[in-house]
Amino acid sequence: AQSVTQLDSHVSVSEGTPVLLRCNYSSSYSPSLFWYVQHPNKGLQLLLKYTSAATLVKGINGFEAEFKKSETSFHLTKPSAHMSDAAEYFCVVSFTGFQKLVFGTGTRLLVSP
Amino acid sequence: GAGVSQTPSNKVTEKGKYVELRCDPISGHTALYWYRQSLGQGPEFLIYFQGTGAADDSGLPNDRFFAVRPEGSVSTLKIQRTERGDSAVYLCASSPGTDSGANVLTFGAGSRLTVL
Repeated sequence: AQSVTQLDSHVSVSEGTPVLLRCNYSSSYSPSLFWYVQHPNKGLQLLLKYTSAATLVKGINGFEAEFKKSETSFHLTKPSAHMSDAAEYFCVVSFTGFQKLVFGTGTRLLVSP
Repeated sequence: GAGVSQTPSNKVTEKGKYVELRCDPISGHTALYWYRQSLGQGPEFLIYFQGTGAADDSGLPNDRFFAVRPEGSVSTLKIQRTERGDSAVYLCASSPGTDSGANVLTFGAGSRLTVL
């Protein structure tokens, strides 16, 4: 079955320091991978997507993620955290021929001044 | 419309009652999805429509849950004999449904259902 595992339920960083949110997926087929962000009381917003083109994907707000097939990973990074980055982040997978998205359990990013 | 619109934004009901949640997708989007997000969890897939037909309803938890999309645009999620465990945020999303736009979902703000 398709699934994603987000390795950390919470990540705390200081403003201006790098962000790393980890995600591993299980793969029986060629995956499409996404990161979505959910700010409190707001809808889910797409940060970036990987669909078998370049393995390093750049998204909005300075985030990027690298697809590593050998490690079945799709970690999200940002060089310098901003207070406005504090939110819940979801790693999401879908597979060719399957329309539904499968969400991870989420990682809450906390940013301190 | 400009985005995915969901109504009501909040619904409080009593155990055993019937509830309808409405989703108005982005104009022209042929694919429509319903997800359920319980407190502290990621969204769970319920059902996916391509046009008027339910292409995948494998996520509906039981026969109390039903969804329709009669004209290929607005969709209604219907829950009969609500239970306290149905309390969650119900999310609707739409996508263009084409190869280039497939799986790039735009989500609504959700309908928060509370069953007392």
